[in-house]
Formats: sequence, structure tokens, C-alpha cells
Amino acid sequence: GDSVTQMEGPVTLSEEAFLTINCTYTATGYPSLFWYVQYPGEGLQLLLKATKADDKGSNKGFEATYRKETTSFHLEKGSVQVSDSAVYFCALHFMNRDDKIIFGKGTRLHILP
Amino acid sequence: DGGITQSPKYLFRKEGQNVTLSCEQNLNHDAMYWYRQDPGQGLRLIYYSQIVNDFQKGDIAEGYSVSREKKESFPLTVTSAQKNPTAFYLCASSIGSQPQHFGDGTRLSIL
Repeated sequence: GDSVTQMEGPVTLSEEAFLTINCTYTATGYPSLFWYVQYPGEGLQLLLKATKADDKGSNKGFEATYRKETTSFHLEKGSVQVSDSAVYFCALHFMNRDDKIIFGKGTRLHILP
Repeated sequence: DGGITQSPKYLFRKEGQNVTLSCEQNLNHDAMYWYRQDPGQGLRLIYYSQIVNDFQKGDIAEGYSVSREKKESFPLTVTSAQKNPTAFYLCASSIGSQPQHFGDGTRLSIL
């Protein structure tokens, strides 16, 4: 079945470090891909999305490129801040197919000052 | 501002009690969802509804019930049949092919 696999956390980095959180997916078809972020005690917020191969989603300095050949959607940021500490979820969604989103298990990110 | 409101933020249940979690949205979204979040397990879908007066079971529906009498509202009841209800519950909504919007969640604990 369809699934999303993320790197396990927690990931701990110093402020201004380069961030990569890996995400790969298995899907029959061509889903849309998302990254959501969850700050402590809150719900999920959409961080960025890509709807087709080679699309690059970007927001708040974060980027991810939809790679069909490697079935990946890795999240990157060039210089992280303490305020980026949160849990990040990779997810896939098929348009016109029962509207369900499949989430990865989440990756907790700690940024040290 | 449009959004999704979940209440209460914290909820306590005694053994053998049913409890209802509220989810209201003013985004005019057609679809609504309930997820359960446990540490280290990501989000699991409990129930979802694509239109009023219709809903479907998700991956872990046992011990839960829902209703969708109004477009704006999708309450979740955690019944006494749910043996391990302690978790963080998230409600979401969406329209068309747009990404889901989430509420801030309700944390349910057993006394």
C-alpha cells in the first residue's frame, strides 16, 4: 500500500546549521506531497507542498523538491533557527482518491542556541 | 478569521465514561477528519466525512463514533469501548484538492 517513510529523530543541530530531513514514499500513481510542521502543544500547519514531479515547494527558508525518480521529498533549510524547533511531518495525498492523507511518523527537530 | 476550533484543549475521562470532543470550522470546507496522535507514531485516521450526513471509518475507528449533522461541525465521541484513549486528538478540514487545515488539538487523559 501507499506509505511515507521519514528519518527517525530527534535531530539536534546548532543554530545556523544546514538541515536535511529525509522523506521517501511508496505510492501507486502520482500523489501531491507535503511537509507539515507541529510546534509544541499545537496542531499541524502546512509548511510547503509540491503537486508534480520536479516541483519545488518553499516557505520560510525551507525547501523540498518532488523527485519522482527517487520517490523522495527531502526537506532542507540552509540556516536553522531556535524557533524552527518542532516536529516535521512528510505526507502524501492523491487528488480524486478518497481525500485521505498518508503521514510519515514525524521527525522531532531540536535547535540549540 | 477563518479556522478550525477544537474544544476543550484538555479533557479528562473516568474509566467507563463516554466523552465528546468538539470540532467546529468556519472555512466552508466540505471534508472533515479526526486523527489520533501518539508519541512516536505520527497521525492515525479515526473517521472522516466528505459531506454532511455521511462519514467513513478510518484506520482505527473501533471505540469511536462521529456525526456530521452540519457542515461546520464534526464531533468525535470516545466511548468506553476504547481501551486506550489517552492521546492527542486532531481535527482537520479540507476542500477539493487543497491541503488539510488542522485545529490545535485536544489532549485526552484518563483519571
